[in-house]
Formats: sequence, structure tokens, C-alpha cells
Amino acid sequence: EAGVTQFPSHSVIEKGQTVTLRCDPISGHDNLYWYRRVMGKEIKFLLHFVKESKQDESGMPNNRFLAERTGGTYSTLKVQPAELEDSGVYFCASSQRPRLGESTDTQYFGPGTRLTVL
Amino acid sequence: AQSVAQPEDQVNVAEGNPLTVKCTYSVSGNPYLFWYVQYPNRGLQFLLKYITGDNLVKGSYGFEAEFNKSQTSFHLKKPSALVSDSALYFCAVRESYGNNRLAFGKGNQVVVIP
Repeated sequence: EAGVTQFPSHSVIEKGQTVTLRCDPISGHDNLYWYRRVMGKEIKFLLHFVKESKQDESGMPNNRFLAERTGGTYSTLKVQPAELEDSGVYFCASSQRPRLGESTDTQYFGPGTRLTVL
Repeated sequence: AQSVAQPEDQVNVAEGNPLTVKCTYSVSGNPYLFWYVQYPNRGLQFLLKYITGDNLVKGSYGFEAEFNKSQTSFHLKKPSALVSDSALYFCAVRESYGNNRLAFGKGNQVVVIP
């Protein structure tokens, strides 16, 4: 079974430019999450999709970030315009709905996209 | 709000010695606790989780973790460390109700010395 994949693995852009990150979850996983790790700090939650719907976007830093999951499959995270403080590693994770009798899902992470804004 | 503390930035251990990576958490209700490992140039790999039941949880690659409710801790352990265990380890928590988002600690770099 293929894991979560993310593209690109690295992106270097200049301040003010636009970047779009892509995440392909594990096939059949309804839940898709975006997280971000700014260098040396904690991994922070950004948002959570259930299929194509945004379940929780409380972690999105500001309106320069736009996430979509059209059709409930892959997701994109667009940063427009990028600022220096947006640099970091962006992780995507996916999970199944908990099975009957289970109380929680396990989130499986992709390799991340390292974004550098100059 | 939930939070995690991993008090040590780096843990050095000799190969063959026991390895412990510390984690304490804070949630308002019952916790769901997770450990992930990140090898160089790789994503986070799930190691183990505590939901309910036995306080000692066994996971991948010989790792285990002990849930201690009174100390609000979930330390990761391995009886005999391998050089290949050198990696970045993250503890995470979520509350047992409400949202699914994980709160992570800063991570611990583990260095196993041959």
C-alpha cells in the first residue's frame, strides 16, 4: 500500500511569490490533515478535511493560506503571497475513519515539503 | 488546549544500552497519546499509541511506552538501543473528544553511539 505522498519535496521561492503544495493521501482515507514545523519548533496543526469538507481550520495562520480538497482525494495548500515566516516543513497526514469499536484514528504522515522563502 | 513537553533536546546513548525519551502532556480530558519517529530525509513514522487499557504499550521496532496518569507522562523506551535508532522522536497528544488535531512536542534528537 502506497503511503502519503507530497510534492514538491523542496521549494525555494522569493517573498511575494505564490507556492502550491500537493498532498496525496493513502487511498481510501477520508481524513486529511496539514501540519507545519517552523525550524526548531513544534509541529503545528493547520487544518483537517473530512473528504472534501473542512472539518477544522483553526490552525491556519492567516488568509494568505488556502487549502482545497476537491473531490475528496488529493489536497493542495496554496500560500499567496509568501512571507519569510512561512518557511518551514509542511506535513500532510491521512487517516481512516475509526473502525467500529475503535475510538480514534491513527494519522500517517508524508515526507513533508520543505519551503524556503527568501 | 492540549500540549506536550519533551524536556530534552538531545538524548545520547551507547549502543546496547537502554533508551528512554521523555514526554509529559496536558489535556483537559482523557488523553490519546502517540509517538512518531523521523529518520533523516523521511516523513514521520508512527511507532505506537495509547488509547485505553494497559499502561504499557508495545510498538514497532522493539519500542514501548508507559502511560502514567498521575505523572501525566508517556515516556518512550527501548531495552537495547541500536545505531539505526538514531533519529528525531516526537510525542503527540489529542483529547479523547472533540477535534482530531494532534499537539506535538518539539522533538528529541536521539543519537546512539556505536
